[in-house]
Amino acid sequence: RKEVEQDPGPFNVPEGATVAFNCTYSNSASQSFFWYRQDCRKEPKLLMSVYSSGNEDGRFTAQLNRASQYISLLIRDSKLSDSATYLCVVNRGYGQNFVFGPGTRLSVLP
Amino acid sequence: DTEVTQTPKHLVMGMTNKKSLKCEQHMGHRAMYWYKQKAKKPPELMFVYSYEKLSINESVPSRFSPECPNSSLLNLHLHALQPEDSALYLCASSSGLAGLKEQYFGPGTRLTVT
Repeated sequence: RKEVEQDPGPFNVPEGATVAFNCTYSNSASQSFFWYRQDCRKEPKLLMSVYSSGNEDGRFTAQLNRASQYISLLIRDSKLSDSATYLCVVNRGYGQNFVFGPGTRLSVLP
Repeated sequence: DTEVTQTPKHLVMGMTNKKSLKCEQHMGHRAMYWYKQKAKKPPELMFVYSYEKLSINESVPSRFSPECPNSSLLNLHLHALQPEDSALYLCASSSGLAGLKEQYFGPGTRLTVT
């Protein structure tokens, strides 16, 4: 089993749609969780950290389920500019050692 | 300001060359990272420096040699690379404080080994 797994994608959705991404991790000692987005040929950019109680930032909502070792990202009212690869990032439970999921590509269509 | 800068943006080198990649941040972060990213793959962690000391080496071949001259700078020295080392090399930094804070990435150096 891979350390971090994500929906394989790609997701093609119309503007205005709601889309959800899922991520599972295998290391129960993991403590920190993040969602990043990466545009083609650019660096990853932090979208949001994921907190135990769940958190929201505008159209984006992140949830964490420690018992199921599962993280989700919900995007509401999708915009064309949301088209990117979404990467789930988890620490390995020791030091500042982070592992990226394989990413899920999103295309928002006009 | 959450800026991490990297130079050069692009680098082409032969297998017998020696070159260095540079990374700089002025956010007062005390953890700095090197990642390697191949096309259509996620970034893979190579090295972590914490408070200017190498804390993690993910079994990277010795032809890659990291250096952290001070808390703002991170270098990656390259020697006798192979064509399969061609990739995007990303530098990142984080505060390094307890709680494993988020990382901020530089734009990367796109390396081609001929």
